[in-house]
Amino acid sequence: GDSVTQTEGPVTLSEGTSLTVNCSYETKQYPTLFWYVQYPGEGPQLLFKVPKANEKGSNRGFEATYNKEATSFHLQKASVQESDSAVYYCALSPSSNTNKVVFGTGTRLQVLP
Amino acid sequence: EAAVTQSPRNKVTVTGGNVTLSCRQTNSHNYMYWYRQDTGHGLRLIHYSYGAGNLQIGDVPDGYKATRTTQEDFFLLLELASPSQTSLYFCASSDVWGHLNERLFFGHGTKLSVL
Repeated sequence: GDSVTQTEGPVTLSEGTSLTVNCSYETKQYPTLFWYVQYPGEGPQLLFKVPKANEKGSNRGFEATYNKEATSFHLQKASVQESDSAVYYCALSPSSNTNKVVFGTGTRLQVLP
Repeated sequence: EAAVTQSPRNKVTVTGGNVTLSCRQTNSHNYMYWYRQDTGHGLRLIHYSYGAGNLQIGDVPDGYKATRTTQEDFFLLLELASPSQTSLYFCASSDVWGHLNERLFFGHGTKLSVL
């Protein structure tokens, strides 16, 4: 079936350091890939999505490239801020014919000042 | 920005109790979803619906019923609650999928404790 595996947290970083959260996926279809972010006390919200292989998505300094050959979609940020502290979810939608999204287990990021 | 409102925000019940979680979206979205969020499991889909009267089975449906009464309202029912259903429940909505519309809008969640 369809699945997403991501870095197991928590991840603790100091402000100004770089972030990589690994994400790999399995599906037999042609998925759209997502990163969602969840701040304390809120529901998840879309950070960005990439519908096509070999393209890059970005938002708020975060970026990820849809690597079809490696089946990966790693989240990166060059310099994290305390306000980036949140839970990050990698997710996929198997195809445009289904309105379903499969989520990874989430990675909690804590950024220390 | 799409609005999804869940109620109650917190609920405590006893084993064997009857619980209804409510969700309303006000953006005319066709699809609505119920997820549960648990440490180590992330977000898992319970049920979803693409319109009033429709129900689709998700990935972890056991012990849950759901009903979509209108385009706006989607309910999750636990008729014999068990401690394993203690969780944070999220409702979400979306428009019909297309590359421009592929995104979920989540509510703030309902924390359910089954004692």
